[in-house]
Amino acid sequence: GDSVTQMEGPVTLSEEAFLTINCTYTATGYPSLFWYVQYPGEGLQLLLKATKADDKGSNKGFEATYRKETTSFHLEKGSVQVSDSAVYFCALRTTGNEKLTFGTGTRLTIIP
Amino acid sequence: NAGVTQTPKFQVLKTGQSMTLQCAQDMNHNSMYWYRQDPGMGLRLIYYSASEGTTDKGEVPNGYNVSRLNKREFSLRLESAAPSQTSVYFCASSESAARGSYFGPGTRLTVT
Repeated sequence: GDSVTQMEGPVTLSEEAFLTINCTYTATGYPSLFWYVQYPGEGLQLLLKATKADDKGSNKGFEATYRKETTSFHLEKGSVQVSDSAVYFCALRTTGNEKLTFGTGTRLTIIP
Repeated sequence: NAGVTQTPKFQVLKTGQSMTLQCAQDMNHNSMYWYRQDPGMGLRLIYYSASEGTTDKGEVPNGYNVSRLNKREFSLRLESAAPSQTSVYFCASSESAARGSYFGPGTRLTVT
């Protein structure tokens, strides 16, 4: 079946540090890949997505590139801010499948 | 444009009680979903509805029932609540698999 493995947290960084959260996947079909963010006490928000190999999704300074050869979709940001503190989920959905498969989430805390 | 709304935000039940969680979306999406979120486990799909009038089981359907009342509304019912159903429940909707899903703010349910 489909599965998503993402970097264990929690991750704590200083403001303006470089961020990478690793995500790898296995999929039975051709997946679309997503990163969602969950701020404290809120629901999940779609952060970025990529639907085919070599696509780069980007939003709010975050980027992730769909790497089919390494089955990865790592999330990066060049300079994090305190407001980026949240839980980040990597997810995939394969064509014809209604179900989103999520990773377990990575809690990110940015300290001033 | 409210997006996806859920009621109630919080609920405490005793074992054996029943309740219905309500969800509505105003984006004219065909697909709607119910997920539960438990610590360290990411989100797991309970039920989904690919279109008005259809519902299907997800990963963890036992103990739940759903109703797709119309295109906008998708409710989740617990007939006899159990402590194992203590969780945060999220409703989501999507236009298509490739576009990602929009999530509601969640319902935090505690069963004692």
